[in-house]
Amino acid sequence: EEQLVESGGGWVQPGGSLRLSCVISGFIFNNYAMNWVRQAPGKGLEWISTIDNSDGGSTYYADSVKGRFTISRDNSKNTLYLQMNNLRAEDTAIYYCAKDRKIYDLWGLGTLVTVSS
Amino acid sequence: DIVLTQSPDSLAVSLGERATINCKSSQSVSYSSNSENYLAWYQQKPGQSPKLLIYWASTRKSGVPDRFSGSGSGTDFTLTISSLQAEDVAVYYCQQYYTPFPKFGQGTRVEIK
Repeated sequence: EEQLVESGGGWVQPGGSLRLSCVISGFIFNNYAMNWVRQAPGKGLEWISTIDNSDGGSTYYADSVKGRFTISRDNSKNTLYLQMNNLRAEDTAIYYCAKDRKIYDLWGLGTLVTVSS
Repeated sequence: DIVLTQSPDSLAVSLGERATINCKSSQSVSYSSNSENYLAWYQQKPGQSPKLLIYWASTRKSGVPDRFSGSGSGTDFTLTISSLQAEDVAVYYCQQYYTPFPKFGQGTRVEIK
């Protein structure tokens, strides 16, 4: 069964950092681009980043996180990462990883990030 | 930037009745070269992550009940639930993947009347 499991969320003060992880199982990780999508409390879905398949794949970011967040992957560990630096209150959200380049046919359960003083 | 606007923001439908959700794009999400519409629909039940229902505007994902159908082309799209069931209570999002960076509509909440 295909599965995505996020972890690494938590509470952090403004200006702080967190690293999210997404462990995949049930499909060949190398073959797929992967994404991070977030959802602020009570709000809609916002795409924030994509990494193409293969190690060192091209990366893409929404303007709202560009320069602060870094997406990466370790194909040997079947794991997707999101390094989040200089966090702001408006980054408070559930962060989901999602499979494939544009049609997100599999989502994880999400991990909650709360940025507050 | 392409903007997707869904209507209505919420609707209440009786069990067994039809629910219709609209998604209007600020520009066409169809490529003339292949006539495909780069639009998907997702369902997010309370407390759950989103799930893909429909892609290419009208192709149902395997396992999705056939009471869900998608239609439309160019800039105007519709998600129809032909006979609403209790388990269909959710927020529904359209998403365009025409541009390199996908965007979602604001969501439509479907409730039971």
